[in-house]
Amino acid sequence: AQSVTQLGSHVSVSEGALVLLRCNYSSSVPPYLFWYVQYPNQGLQLLLKYTSAATLVKGINGFEAEFKKSETSFHLTKPSAHMSDAAEYFCAVSRGTDKLIFGTGTRLQVFP
Amino acid sequence: DSGVTQTPKHLITATGQRVTLRCSPRSGDLSVYWYQQSLDQGLQFLIQYYNGEERAKGNILERFSAQQFPDLHSELNLSSLELGDSALYFCASSVPSSYNEQFFGPGTRLTVL
Repeated sequence: AQSVTQLGSHVSVSEGALVLLRCNYSSSVPPYLFWYVQYPNQGLQLLLKYTSAATLVKGINGFEAEFKKSETSFHLTKPSAHMSDAAEYFCAVSRGTDKLIFGTGTRLQVFP
Repeated sequence: DSGVTQTPKHLITATGQRVTLRCSPRSGDLSVYWYQQSLDQGLQFLIQYYNGEERAKGNILERFSAQQFPDLHSELNLSSLELGDSALYFCASSVPSSYNEQFFGPGTRLTVL
């Protein structure tokens, strides 16, 4: 069975600081991994995806994530946080033409 | 804008009632997924349709049903509503691909009073 664990339900950073949101997955088959962002009262927007083409994946808004098979991790990073990054972030895994299994989400707060 | 549309945006109803949520996928997408987002359960997969056929079921209650029509739009029917059904309901669509990138609609917020 597949699952996703997001460590830290809340992360707070100062504007300009590094953002690190953690995601660990469990999958019996090579997974496809995704990060989505949800702004208040909005739907989910895809930030980036891992599809086995490259272990370091660059997404929108300056975010990137690195797939580490040995650590079963897919952490999301951004070198410098911006106030507009405040939102909830979800890591998700799928096996392909299949449902997405989501983590519990991490709420990112950015302080000036 | 993901290209996935959902109506209505908000729905307030009473316990015991029945409602229908509508989703139009992106042009060309054959798969439609329904998800429920609630504070206690998080984001949960409900059901998937592919080109009019049911493809997979998740934690969908028997009181809930869905269908996908020939024009590929989908409807999620929720009946005998309970307070606990209050949640955000999302529809997502995807093209047939090996990694199933899903695009989400803005959601329908259902409040059961």
